[in-house]
Amino acid sequence: ETGVTQSPTHLIKTRGQQVTLRCSSQSGHNTVSWYQQALGQGPQFIFQYYREEENGRGNFPPRFSGLQFPNYSSELNVNALELDDSALYLCASSSVSGPGNTIYFGEGSWLTVV
Amino acid sequence: ILNVEQSPQSLHVQEGDSTNFTCSFPSSNFYALHWYRWETAKSPEALFVMTLNGDEKKKGRISATLNTKEGYSYLYIKGSQPEDSATYLCAFRKNSGGSNYKLTFGKGTLLTVNP
Repeated sequence: ETGVTQSPTHLIKTRGQQVTLRCSSQSGHNTVSWYQQALGQGPQFIFQYYREEENGRGNFPPRFSGLQFPNYSSELNVNALELDDSALYLCASSSVSGPGNTIYFGEGSWLTVV
Repeated sequence: ILNVEQSPQSLHVQEGDSTNFTCSFPSSNFYALHWYRWETAKSPEALFVMTLNGDEKKKGRISATLNTKEGYSYLYIKGSQPEDSATYLCAFRKNSGGSNYKLTFGKGTLLTVNP
């Protein structure tokens, strides 16, 4: 049990639609990151939020956006869904305390785009 | 583009065997190296966070070593049990000023332990 919860666990969307995925981070963690894991790949970094501001982004287009709320929970929004967006989306939370800090993951949200 | 490689891609062992796998990462700008154990339909479980060259960490029958100068880490499992069956992921964090939070993952090693 990592204390990081994600919803929904599975969902199916149609190409062109929009999706919102949610994450509740572990208590006391002020940093949340999102990762995409496509089939056969390791998780790929999408972006990170710290104190409600995006402070780093991976190689993902602007239609991937996010929010972090005052309670440090977070949303990942994807607009204009494409078939290649089908993947497992993982949320990770941590406290900003140096190289030795553990980063905890949720179970993920499986997105299928048809 | 950072390259994090894990080998082997998959491994089948018998219960009681000891096994090990490798994670290779860039040998420059090292910040931290994370190991995770990931069972299907569960969240990745944090095993170790390694930060110093020569680090050795142990958790039960699982241990890990780190060589930052040559850019590799080994994960060892002693006396494998069927419940050790999972994908083992390593993730590298680069020292890049304010953006050292990002994890760059390998593709994982899928371990299957046969009873």
